[in-house]
Amino acid sequence: QKEVEQDPGPLSVPEGAIVSLNCTYSNSAFQYFMWYRQYSRKGPELLMYTYSSGNKEDGRFTAQVDKSSKYISLFIRDSQPSDSATYLCAMAGGYNKLIFGAGTRLAVHP
Amino acid sequence: GAGVSQTPSNKVTEKGKYVELRCDPISGHTALYWYRQSLGQGPEFLIYFQGTGAADDSGLPNDRFFAVRPEGSVSTLKIQRTERGDSAVYLCASSAKQGLNTEAFFGQGTRLTVV
Repeated sequence: QKEVEQDPGPLSVPEGAIVSLNCTYSNSAFQYFMWYRQYSRKGPELLMYTYSSGNKEDGRFTAQVDKSSKYISLFIRDSQPSDSATYLCAMAGGYNKLIFGAGTRLAVHP
Repeated sequence: GAGVSQTPSNKVTEKGKYVELRCDPISGHTALYWYRQSLGQGPEFLIYFQGTGAADDSGLPNDRFFAVRPEGSVSTLKIQRTERGDSAVYLCASSAKQGLNTEAFFGQGTRLTVV
């Protein structure tokens, strides 16, 4: 079993939809939770960072962490075609080694 | 430069050859990381530098892989006797903070193809 599980998709939604992306993990030592967005043939770029449990909102993006269930989510409101990309969850236990999920491919069609 | 720069962007090499991949981190960033991303997978940690020293090299798959950062800035990932299974995108990232990689900025990667 992988330390971080993420449904690879693809996920196809119409413009304006609310998108929910999720990851589960097995290592209870993880304390730092991130979401990265990766466009085709580009490096990942950090979208959201959360420490421990709770919610964090930034514009159209909301990140949630539930450490008791070992489950994290990213919500995208009013999705746009420019949001079409692969979304990677990543986690760390306080050291400098990010553990990534496999990524979920998202397509937002006009 | 404004971001992390990786060269070359693409590299095709024959099985058994030696390759070097270069990473120029963001100016002033002391922490530097190498990751490898296979098709359809997330990045996989290889090695982490703090300054000139490798603080964690536990992700290097075997002794054919080696990385250096002699002056605490530019880093080179070296792969000896390349195998077809080494084909992947090699990503470099840098961050200004020590101890946390929550603000790691990634380069565009070097796409390595071993034929």
